[in-house]
Amino acid sequence: GEDVEQSLFLSVREGDSSVINCTYTDSSSTYLYWYKQEPGAGLQLLTYIFSNMDMKQDQRLTVLLNKKDKHLSLRIADTQTGDSAIYFCVAGGYNKLIFGAGTRLAVHP
Amino acid sequence: GAGVSQSPSNKVTEKGKDVELRCDPISGHTALYWYRQSLGQGLEFLIYFQGNSAPDKSGLPSDRFSAERTGGSVSTLTIQRTQQEDSAVYLCASSQDRRGAFFGQGTRLTVV
Repeated sequence: GEDVEQSLFLSVREGDSSVINCTYTDSSSTYLYWYKQEPGAGLQLLTYIFSNMDMKQDQRLTVLLNKKDKHLSLRIADTQTGDSAIYFCVAGGYNKLIFGAGTRLAVHP
Repeated sequence: GAGVSQSPSNKVTEKGKDVELRCDPISGHTALYWYRQSLGQGLEFLIYFQGNSAPDKSGLPSDRFSAERTGGSVSTLTIQRTQQEDSAVYLCASSQDRRGAFFGQGTRLTVV
C-alpha cells in the first residue's frame, strides 16, 4: 500500500546543516512535499518538488529527490533554534496526501 | 480571510453525542481535504473533495463519520455517536493545484 517512512528524531547543533530523509512507496506520487509543524501550531507548507525534478532550492532549504529509489531529503542550511519542529514528508497521489510520521528536529546550542 | 478557517477551535462533547466540524477553505480552492491527528500520531486521511467530482471517502474510519461540501466551498465533517477514540485534532486543508495544500489550525475534539 501507500506508505511514507522517515526517521523520528534528529538532533543538530545550531549553525550546522540538518538533513531529514524519507522514503515513499507509491511510484505514482507525482508531487512531494515537506511540511513543518511547530509545537501547538498548525501545519505549514515549506516546499514541494515535482517528480520530474531531482533538486529544488529555496533559500536555506534544499530538496533532493531520487525517483528511482523513491527517496526524498530536506536539507536545512545554517539551522537555527527557530527550526525546531516536526517535519513531515508527504507524497501526493491522485486524490490524497500521504503523510510520514514526522521527524522531530531538535536544535541545540 | 486569507487562510483556511476551522470552527470551533475546541470542542468537548459527551460520549454518544453528535458533533459537526466546519471548514471554510481558501476562496477559489477546488480541492478540500479532511485529516485527523491523534496525540503523538501522524496524520490520518479521512476524505477528499475535488470540484464537483464524487468525494474520495476511503479514509473515513466508520459509518459514524460523514462529510459534505456545499456549493464547492464550505465543508462540514459530522461524527455521530461519538466515542472516546474519536478524540483528536481534526484538520482541514484546501488547495488550488498540486503545489501544496494549506491547512487550517484544526478543531481539537475531546470526547468525555
